[in-house]
Amino acid sequence: DIQMAQSPSSVSASVGDRVTITCRASQSISSWLAWYQQEPGKAPKLLIYAASSLQSGVPSRFSGSGSGTDFTLTISSLQPEDFATYYCQQTNSFPRTFGQGTKLEIK
Amino acid sequence: QLQLQESGPGLVKPSETLSLSCNVSGGSISSSSYYWGWIRQPPGKGLEWIGSVNYGGSTNYNPSLKSRVTISVDTSKNHFSLKLNSVTAADTAVYYCARQGSGGRSFDYWGQGTLVTVSS
Repeated sequence: DIQMAQSPSSVSASVGDRVTITCRASQSISSWLAWYQQEPGKAPKLLIYAASSLQSGVPSRFSGSGSGTDFTLTISSLQPEDFATYYCQQTNSFPRTFGQGTKLEIK
Repeated sequence: QLQLQESGPGLVKPSETLSLSCNVSGGSISSSSYYWGWIRQPPGKGLEWIGSVNYGGSTNYNPSLKSRVTISVDTSKNHFSLKLNSVTAADTAVYYCARQGSGGRSFDYWGQGTLVTVSS
């Protein structure tokens, strides 16, 4: 199985800050990576697919980059609604695997 | 707008079978472009992919659950189902159904999730 490791596990930031979350795969997954946002008590929401493609309806302050084993999700200017937990997922091979999550908290 | 809705018992006894259904509305489950998947999340923990099925019944399962899982599709009812047998307390989780899109192979539409508790 491909292991996905996110860092940090949690981060505190303020409205307007720029935040970057990292995801590292245990082997190359090309660009087969997705990012999700999950608010408490809700289903995950797709933000980014294929490492850098913005899902329809997602604000442009979200961006993704990377290929191979190292990927990043960047939020350019945090808004109050962005405080949530973020997960990466590899879609390169089965079984599909997720990172352990990064909780973004208000400072 | 595509919508997915999970249904099934919220409480299952240990050693019994967990059965859930996912009704798809606003679109056809018979499209060849998509797979339909199940993902679960134990309380306070992360996401675990259980498996996926396409309209023709072709499946992929997580090896960690493969011996206990069956995912099937019913195109006439526009829904797909999950069966997990021999459950234990470790199977207590929120279970989500979702559509796996063709572009990035990621889950682009999700149900709201349903909590299943395994307890006697």
